[in-house]
Amino acid sequence: EVQLVESGGDLVQPGGSLSLSCESSGFTFSNFEMNWVRQAPGKGLEWVSYITSSGTTIYYADSVKGRFTISRDNAHKLLYLQMSSLRAEDTAVYYCARGVDGYFDTWGQGTLVTVSS
Amino acid sequence: SYELTQPLSVSVAMGQTARITCGGNNIGSKNVHWYQQKPGQAPVLVIYRDSNRPSGIPERFSGSNSGNTATLTISRAQVGDEADYYCQVWDSVVFGGGTKLTVL
Repeated sequence: EVQLVESGGDLVQPGGSLSLSCESSGFTFSNFEMNWVRQAPGKGLEWVSYITSSGTTIYYADSVKGRFTISRDNAHKLLYLQMSSLRAEDTAVYYCARGVDGYFDTWGQGTLVTVSS
Repeated sequence: SYELTQPLSVSVAMGQTARITCGGNNIGSKNVHWYQQKPGQAPVLVIYRDSNRPSGIPERFSGSNSGNTATLTISRAQVGDEADYYCQVWDSVVFGGGTKLTVL
């Protein structure tokens, strides 16, 4: 079964940092593009970041550019999101999602990041 | 940046057909994908590339895309179809604002 499991969500103060992980199973992780998508409480979906299968090409939403860093470890089938200079508006459930030809065919269950003092 | 416009809510009587629209400038020239999200759950892909259903998605779900509007159609709507539905295109990786479907 194809599965993605996020972890690392927590309560963090404004200006702080946090690292999220996404563990994959049931498919050849190194063959797929990966993404982070977030959803603020009661709001819609917002794409955050994208990384190619090899990790050579990376994109970010303007709202997180310069503050968030996406990376991957294909040997260990892991996707990461390093977040810094966190703001209240970064509060959201963060999903990792497998990318296929411009759409997201598999999603994790999400991990909650709360930015508050 | 590219924008996608969805109605905030759509209501349909049980057993009838629900249509959820996604508007965008010349969206017919793009691939549109649709996701279903039930409360407290992660999104699920229900339609990809305008009109294709992933395995496990009922045939009652279909999609079309032309001109400035893409449409998700849910035939013979069931209470279990109640959810938020989001359209998405890869250009600037944009999601629509989401539509809450209520089955009466």
